[in-house]
Amino acid sequence: DTGVSQDPRHKITKRGQNVTFRCDPISEHNRLYWYRQTLGQGPEFLTYFQNEAQLEKSRLLSDRFSAERPKGSFSTLEIQRTEQGDSAMYLCASSSTGMEPQHFGDGTRLSIL
Amino acid sequence: AQSVTQPDIHITVSEGASLELRCNYSYGATPYLFWYVQSPGQGLQLLLKYFSGDTLVQGIKGFEAEFKRSQSSFNLRKPSVHWSDAAEYFCAVVPTGGGNKLTFGTGTQLKVEL
Repeated sequence: DTGVSQDPRHKITKRGQNVTFRCDPISEHNRLYWYRQTLGQGPEFLTYFQNEAQLEKSRLLSDRFSAERPKGSFSTLEIQRTEQGDSAMYLCASSSTGMEPQHFGDGTRLSIL
Repeated sequence: AQSVTQPDIHITVSEGASLELRCNYSYGATPYLFWYVQSPGQGLQLLLKYFSGDTLVQGIKGFEAEFKRSQSSFNLRKPSVHWSDAAEYFCAVVPTGGGNKLTFGTGTQLKVEL
């Protein structure tokens, strides 16, 4: 069990640029989740995949955000035309079923200049 | 509205003292309950979970939590705190039946004085 892996750990970019983050879940987990955490807050749910199907999206996920999990393994989260308000920690988690606890990666911290 | 409340934003305890972190939830039915811990710049680590059964749940690192239905609470406790326990602690819930997303409280920042 190598745990949930996220890349990169840190991303600094200028406002208006596009960024993409990657998440590799625990290998036998078919459920994958993305969360966003801003300073001083708990993580907030963004979206959820079961295998390659994106089954739920939060209202927080604006049109500038898109997530994919093309082969039911790793996932990517892309933010287009980044804004200052996108600065946050983006966390990925995975689980084997809906009743099993979610295991989190160390996150990608995004800073918008 | 469904919510999770952690009333204490910051708590400071002396090393060796006991600890209790509070968590209250507001849901129609008892949800599944979790406590996670987060060290600076890191992801979240699961401390313990409650689905059903015994209301006193044991977790890792010497933590335990007690579910009280009458108070809609799931408080985290540790008899003797170590300096390495300094971190942020999050209570989280998933609606009964599984559901697809964790709803987190705002967290409690624990400081340990030596």
